[in-house]
Amino acid sequence: GAGVSQSPSNKVTEKGKDVELRCDPISGHTALYWYRQRLGQGLEFLIYFQGNSAPDKSGLPSDRFSAERTGESVSTLTIQRTQQEDSAVYLCASRLTVYTGELFFGEGSRLTVL
Amino acid sequence: AQTVTQSQPEMSVQEAETVTLSCTYDTSESDYYLFWYKQPPSRQMILVIRQEAYKQQNATENRFSVNFQKAAKSFSLKISDSQLGDAAMYFCAYRSAIRGNTPLVFGKGTRLSVIA
Repeated sequence: GAGVSQSPSNKVTEKGKDVELRCDPISGHTALYWYRQRLGQGLEFLIYFQGNSAPDKSGLPSDRFSAERTGESVSTLTIQRTQQEDSAVYLCASRLTVYTGELFFGEGSRLTVL
Repeated sequence: AQTVTQSQPEMSVQEAETVTLSCTYDTSESDYYLFWYKQPPSRQMILVIRQEAYKQQNATENRFSVNFQKAAKSFSLKISDSQLGDAAMYFCAYRSAIRGNTPLVFGKGTRLSVIA
């Protein structure tokens, strides 16, 4: 696609429910990153994928968070048993590779946990 | 671990005036990249300017320029002739050039308001 596309744009859920957030990177970009942005805060790294290599999951805050990516296509970030502290904007970004190219961001998915 | 600090949560500037946003960082590495990103209400992060640490010359992109002081670990952004469209959150970010696959580390941001 022309840019990084994320869906849904906004999601409101009840505490304890599971949510899935989707990211469609720029075509040809092998590296894909997920960041979390809490209100008034900077971006916290969650996870990145590079091609078919094992993902770097070092930023995932708990085992309730997981992400998948098949090859160089769409990625899904899943949050299980959501908590109010999970409320944030989740930003996805892609790059040509983890070593090269500018980082392009999507518009994020705003998650509100009631 | 590297850290990035933006000490100004909010700044304001009159239209057509100049404003400087501050950023300091902490690293033991000698080779790295520094970035300024703009985040308008649309939430999409947009790269404003980038600086390679090995370059002594300060980067410039039209009305945007940086003051990179490597010894002081300071990386400020100057916006000249401010425009209403410059109003946004601005984030300073760091990435290692030695460990090139590490993700960007961001500061907490500065909210810039432009007054007409």
